[in-house]
Amino acid sequence: QKEVEQDPGPLSVPEGAIVSLNCTYSNSAFQYFMWYRQYSRKGPELLMYTYSSGNKEDGRFTAQVDKSSKYISLFIRDSQPSDSATYLCAMTATIVNTGFQKLVFGTGTRLLVSP
Amino acid sequence: DGGITQSPKYLFRKEGQNVTLSCEQNLNHDAMYWYRQDPGQGLRLIYYSQIVNDFQKGDIAEGYSVSREKKESFPLTVTSAQKNPTAFYLCASTHKPGTDSNQPQHFGDGTRLSIL
Repeated sequence: QKEVEQDPGPLSVPEGAIVSLNCTYSNSAFQYFMWYRQYSRKGPELLMYTYSSGNKEDGRFTAQVDKSSKYISLFIRDSQPSDSATYLCAMTATIVNTGFQKLVFGTGTRLLVSP
Repeated sequence: DGGITQSPKYLFRKEGQNVTLSCEQNLNHDAMYWYRQDPGQGLRLIYYSQIVNDFQKGDIAEGYSVSREKKESFPLTVTSAQKNPTAFYLCASTHKPGTDSNQPQHFGDGTRLSIL
C-alpha cells in the first residue's frame, strides 16, 4: 500500500465549476501538507501549505486537512481553463536521528477545465 | 529573479554513457534535492544535500551520483549503471530543514532525459 493515495484522473469540469481534489494517507507521522500545481513539461509550483487540521484559504483555493481521517483536500472555486494542470499532494515526515524532513508525493490528479 | 535553474531542458544518453544534469539556485537555500518523475508515479527522491560537502542517498540512489561543492549548485550524474534512466528529473531546494518551522520545497523546471 502506498503511503499517499491520489486518484490520477483525469477530472474534466466546465469553466466556473467547483473542483475538489483529494488525497488519503496512511502515515500518522506526516506533519506538513502541501498542494503543488504542475503544468506540462514544467516543475511543480507550490500552491498551498498547511500544518494543522482545518481550512486554509488563498483566493480561489482552499486547502482542507483532516488528520483524524488522514484525508486532505484542495478546493478550487470558479475554475478557469488556466487551472488545467496536474495537482500533486505532498506531505512531510521527519526522519528520526537526522532531522531531515522527507517529502512524500501523491501520483497527481490531472484536471481539465473546458471553456 | 530568484529561482532554480535546471539545464539542459532535454538530454539524450547513449548506451554506456554518463550524463550530468545541472541544478543552480540563487535563493540562498541550504538544502537541495533531486527527484525522478515517471508517468503514473509520484516524485521519488534520488539524493539530497542539507549542507555543502555533504549529501545523502534517497529512496532510489542506485545508478546516480551527486556532488555539493558549492551552496548554489547540486549536479546529478546519471551513470551507465542506471538501466532505466528515461524520466523527468526535478531539482528542488529549501532553507535548512529540520527546524521547527518547516520550509516547503521549491522546484526547477526539470530536465527530460531520454535514451538514444
